[in-house]
This record gives sequence, C-alpha cells and structure tokens, in this order.
Amino acid sequence: EVQLLESGGGLGQPGGSLRLSCEVSGFTFKNEAMSWVRQAPGKGLEWVSSINGAGTGINYADSVKGRFVISRDNSKNTLYLQMNSLRVDDTARYYCTKAWLFVDSWGQGTLVNVSS
Amino acid sequence: SALTQPRSVSGSPGQSVTISCTGTITDVGNYNFVSWYQQRPGKAPKLIIYDVTERPSGVPGRFSGSKSGNTASLTISGLQADDDSDYYCCSYAGSYSYVFGTGTKVTVL
Repeated sequence: EVQLLESGGGLGQPGGSLRLSCEVSGFTFKNEAMSWVRQAPGKGLEWVSSINGAGTGINYADSVKGRFVISRDNSKNTLYLQMNSLRVDDTARYYCTKAWLFVDSWGQGTLVNVSS
Repeated sequence: SALTQPRSVSGSPGQSVTISCTGTITDVGNYNFVSWYQQRPGKAPKLIIYDVTERPSGVPGRFSGSKSGNTASLTISGLQADDDSDYYCCSYAGSYSYVFGTGTKVTVL
C-alpha cells in the first residue's frame, strides 16, 4: 500500500522559511516522479513543484519560482520542499503526491500558516 | 493560468451531469494527459479519471471522460447522493509541470 506522510508544517513568519518533508513507503521511491500540490483554505488545488526520480528534472509554479526548492533523498525515501521568503498567500495545506502525468497517490497534507 | 471549470453544477439522482475543463494549446490541447479528481470536505483528492478517458480500478463506470480541442469533460451518469463533492481537472503541461482546474462543486438535489 502506498503511503505518503508529510511533516514540517506549522506557523511561519512572512519572509521566513519552513521545510516540509514527505516520507514514503509502499513503492520504489527512486523510480517515481513526485510533486507538491497545495490548497489554500476554501480554495482550489494548485500545483507547486515536481521532481523526477533521479532528481535531475525539476519544475516550479511561477508563484513559487525562486523561493521554493524541491529535493529528494532516495536513500531515505523522503521528498522535501524548502520554502523560503514566505508570503501570506503561501498559507495552504501542502500535499505530497506521487505524480507522473497524473497524481495517483496523495498524502493527507500538512498545514502551513504564514502570519505575523 | 488555471484551467477553467464551471463553479457549480447540479442534478437529481439518476440524471447525468457534465463538467467542462477549458485550457489552452499548451496544456489540454497539446497532451492527452488530462486527469480528474474528486475531493470530499476535509479529505485529500481522489483520482477518478486519467489519460482523458481511463478509470482507475475501483472507480465506477458512471464516471467517464472525454476531450475535444482545448476542452476536456467529465460526465457523471446515473448521479448518486455519494457523488456530491468537489471535482478538479488537471492537465500535464510539459517539462514536469501541471495545471489544475478552478474546481466544480457538484450538488445532488
């Protein structure tokens, strides 16, 4: 059974940083592309960033480009999202997802609240 | 920019409803990689259609997908009370990027 377990969310300051982690099990992590998807309170889904299995193919939504960094440690079966220069409009639930051409598995999400 | 979906659609039990998802030549129009997700309140989304028309194992045949040009569609036939949810489309847009739709609230009357 595929399991995706996010952690690292919480309260962040505008201009500050947070690091999200996603520990996975139930599949061969190094072979799978992964993505982060977020959902602001009461709003729709927004793709944030994706990374291929080797970590050599990466892309970001324009809204986070230059501020967020996606990475992975295949030896630890863990996906990361380093969030820098946080803004109030980054407030959302962040989902770790297994995704190649479509999202076939979702974590339960971790809540990030950016507020002063 | 987000794919455009109607804000809401509704139907009575047993009826059919169709949700449109309009993109551009750079996403929906360029790839046969449109997917649809059902999201219940407080829950993570669930994949119900991938590759425009394919259904994952366990998803009822009442759900079907199609695409014409820059617009994809999800049809729910034989509407059931359990279908009352939010629905999102998503398209692959190349180079490990994706774009989601604005979301549609389906109400079963």
